[in-house]
Amino acid sequence: AQKITQTQPGMFVQEKEAVTLDCTYDTSDPSYGLFWYKQPSSGEMIFLIYQGSYDQQNATEGRYSLNFQKARKSANLVISASQLGDSAMYFCAMRGTNTGNQFYFGTGTSLTVIP
Amino acid sequence: IAGITQAPTSQILAAGRRMTLRCTQDMRHNAMYWYRQDLGLGLRLIHYSNTAGTTGKGEVPDGYSVSRANTDDFPLTLASAVPSQTSVYFCASGELGTGYNEQFFGPGTRLTVL
Repeated sequence: AQKITQTQPGMFVQEKEAVTLDCTYDTSDPSYGLFWYKQPSSGEMIFLIYQGSYDQQNATEGRYSLNFQKARKSANLVISASQLGDSAMYFCAMRGTNTGNQFYFGTGTSLTVIP
Repeated sequence: IAGITQAPTSQILAAGRRMTLRCTQDMRHNAMYWYRQDLGLGLRLIHYSNTAGTTGKGEVPDGYSVSRANTDDFPLTLASAVPSQTSVYFCASGELGTGYNEQFFGPGTRLTVL
């Protein structure tokens, strides 16, 4: 069974500081992908970043980077230089080889950026 | 390009009534999905379809049905709504495969069952 765990229900960060949102996963699939989505208060789901299980380097997209530690089964999202617009819910998700293209989502972390 | 559209945007429904949530995508994606989002529980998969003509059950399928008559449309039906089905419903689509194939989400439907 696939499982995604996000243990931080809520996080606060000062504007311009960096913040790490935790995500751990459990899977027996040999190949899988890890995704992060942002959900602002308006409700839409916005794709942020992807990491493949066989990727040698950590993924980066602008101010977002993914700290991928395969042995520990963790895929933490790092947001650098936080902005007020980063205040949102953040969801970690996984899709594996043996899950029929299904995505499994964590329960999310609510991030608040303080001016 | 609209991406994924969902209708209605919101709905208040009496318990026991039948309701169909509509979802249409214009990206020609093979796979489509229905999720429900509840506070503290994240997104949970209700049903999915990997290609037109096929559907599968997700994590929480009871009380819901889907059909996939063509590539673009993936309606979700509540045959007899119950209050526990009060939720925000998201439709999503994407390409098959386990690589860099993100899911694209619709704007959501907020459903309240009284």
